[in-house]
Amino acid sequence: EIVMTQSPATLSVSPGETATLSCRASQSVSSNLAWFQQKPGQAPRLLIYGASTRATGIPARFSGSGSGTEFTLTISSLQSEDFAVYYCQQCNNWPQWTFGQGTKVEIK
Amino acid sequence: EVQLVQSGAEVKKPGESLKISCKGSGYSFTTYWIGWVRQMPGKGLEWMGIIYPGDSDTRYRPSFQGQVTISADKSISTAYLQWSSLKASDTAIYYCARQAWAGHWYFDFWGRGTLVTVSS
Repeated sequence: EIVMTQSPATLSVSPGETATLSCRASQSVSSNLAWFQQKPGQAPRLLIYGASTRATGIPARFSGSGSGTEFTLTISSLQSEDFAVYYCQQCNNWPQWTFGQGTKVEIK
Repeated sequence: EVQLVQSGAEVKKPGESLKISCKGSGYSFTTYWIGWVRQMPGKGLEWMGIIYPGDSDTRYRPSFQGQVTISADKSISTAYLQWSSLKASDTAIYYCARQAWAGHWYFDFWGRGTLVTVSS
């Protein structure tokens, strides 16, 4: 099973600043990596797939990068609605998908 | 509009059986995989398994194989997740999600989740 490790566990950021979240895979997943946002009491929402493609309706301040084992989600100019938990998920090892443990982005 | 509508919250006792559902609409239900994801209280997301409603091809994460059964009834555009004997550790929110392909796999639409509480 591919293990996904996210860091940091919690990120404290002020509104308007940039948040940088990391996700590492235990083996290469090529660019088969997705990012999700989850707010309390809500289902996850797809942000990024294919490591860098924004899903429909996702603002341009969300960007993804990386390939192989190292990935980054960058949220520029954080808005109040961006404070949430973010998960990465590998979709390379069909069909044994795995998620990272999540990064909580909180208000500083 | 694509929607996945999940059945309501359940409260069960250990040892009881349960079947929860996920009804798809707004798209061709038989041509997209549907996955199930567990979220235990205060924890992260765990992929459980996936089914292709067109032919009921089903795959499980090894740790869930034999613990749950995933099925689908394409005639009513509904996928199911069931347990034959619940345990307290099955207490969680269970999400269904549509899996799409655009050069990469991804879960693009999610149900709102079904809260399952198992307590004596």
